[in-house]
Amino acid sequence: KAGVTQTPRYLIKTRGQQVTLSCSPISGHRSVSWYQQTPGQGLQFLFEYFSETQRNKGNFPGRFSGRQFSNSRSEMNVSTLELGDSALYLCASSATRGEQFFGPGTRLTVL
Amino acid sequence: GNSVTQMEGPVTLSEEAFLTINCTYTATGYPSLFWYVQYPGEGLQLLLKATKADDKGSNKGFEATYRKETTSFHLEKGSVQVSDSAVYFCALSGPENKLSFGAGTTVTVRA
Repeated sequence: KAGVTQTPRYLIKTRGQQVTLSCSPISGHRSVSWYQQTPGQGLQFLFEYFSETQRNKGNFPGRFSGRQFSNSRSEMNVSTLELGDSALYLCASSATRGEQFFGPGTRLTVL
Repeated sequence: GNSVTQMEGPVTLSEEAFLTINCTYTATGYPSLFWYVQYPGEGLQLLLKATKADDKGSNKGFEATYRKETTSFHLEKGSVQVSDSAVYFCALSGPENKLSFGAGTTVTVRA
């Protein structure tokens, strides 16, 4: 099976812009979760989508949003970018609760 | 809430040395426990898992045992190789399908 894919792999944006990241889960997986990884805060959970519905949400401001499509692909959007949003954004898919498989990540740099 | 504490390192070892990375957790109920590994420029790879007390997860020479009495899940490998150089993350998953991660331990193995 193909693994989790994320596009794009790298992005450079400026403050105030918005960005959309995409994630395609492993075939058959209906749950997609998003995580932010930074040197200072480590790995933090953003949200999880299951069958097109947000099932869990972490402690991030409303500028961070997501959605999931009927084919389980997911997108994450960050509006009004801030310098502190620079991070590696990781997507993970799972078939059942607990065991999650990660994509290579999207490296976002905000200038 | 759930939390994971792991030895931060960095850890530097010679090839064929014994590796231990300590991990303890705080959680309600009976979480599943995981070790993930991250190589430079990549996402997270699931290394091993354990879903109930006294379970031993193992993979590629790495082992960890779920110890409920000490709330620990220490990672061990008897003889490390240069290719084991990476960042290792301990994580747990509770009833909600979201992972809580430790801060990560950077391991460098020298030839």
